[in-house]
Amino acid sequence: GEDVEQSLFLSVREGDSSVINCTYTDSSSTYLYWYKQEPGAGLQLLTYIFSNMDMKQDQRLTVLLNKKDKHLSLRIADTQTGDSAIYFCAERRGNTPLVFGKGTRLSVIA
Amino acid sequence: DADVTQTPRNRITKTGKRIMLECSQTKGHDRMYWYRQDPGLGLQLIYYSFDVKDINKGEISDGYSVSRQAQAKFSLSLESAIPNQTALYFCATSGGTGYQETQYFGPGTRLLVL
Repeated sequence: GEDVEQSLFLSVREGDSSVINCTYTDSSSTYLYWYKQEPGAGLQLLTYIFSNMDMKQDQRLTVLLNKKDKHLSLRIADTQTGDSAIYFCAERRGNTPLVFGKGTRLSVIA
Repeated sequence: DADVTQTPRNRITKTGKRIMLECSQTKGHDRMYWYRQDPGLGLQLIYYSFDVKDINKGEISDGYSVSRQAQAKFSLSLESAIPNQTALYFCATSGGTGYQETQYFGPGTRLLVL
């Protein structure tokens, strides 16, 4: 299909790892992005990965890319209450605006 | 100071009224976008502009119009507001190449149409 797919909700305990999954649509997408939206705020770029990479790590964040399955994941280690937010996956398809998933609402339980 | 600003931040209007949402950016980007966000529906693209002379419809442009007054300014108008246009509206900009052409978002305008 045409949509970028994400599960809508995820709940984890503080200190555990969170894994947010995304399935994108275009095998020729060059860059894939994760954005974070905190309550009452706009979207902030969290991290991105180029399509020729399998993994990218940035402090507590690990992005994994499986091009064969068009699957992207974001792992947050040692999840904190401040990580509670909506996380959006997005793909760049050529020279067009980013295509966003519907967002995954992460709730962190203390 | 914020790189992408939106005014107003909150707006209540009545059905049938014309309203304008404004977006300004200081990032020097050529590309600007308008999205709406509804709970559970993610972001839907309304219009986008790749430069001052370029305007393109997005997936949900009906009932909306835009004006790119300058490189730094991109306005969204609702000619005759209706209740199902109640939503959170975001402006975004992008520029550069490669990963640098990611999109940067404003803080949003919350619109309620009664």
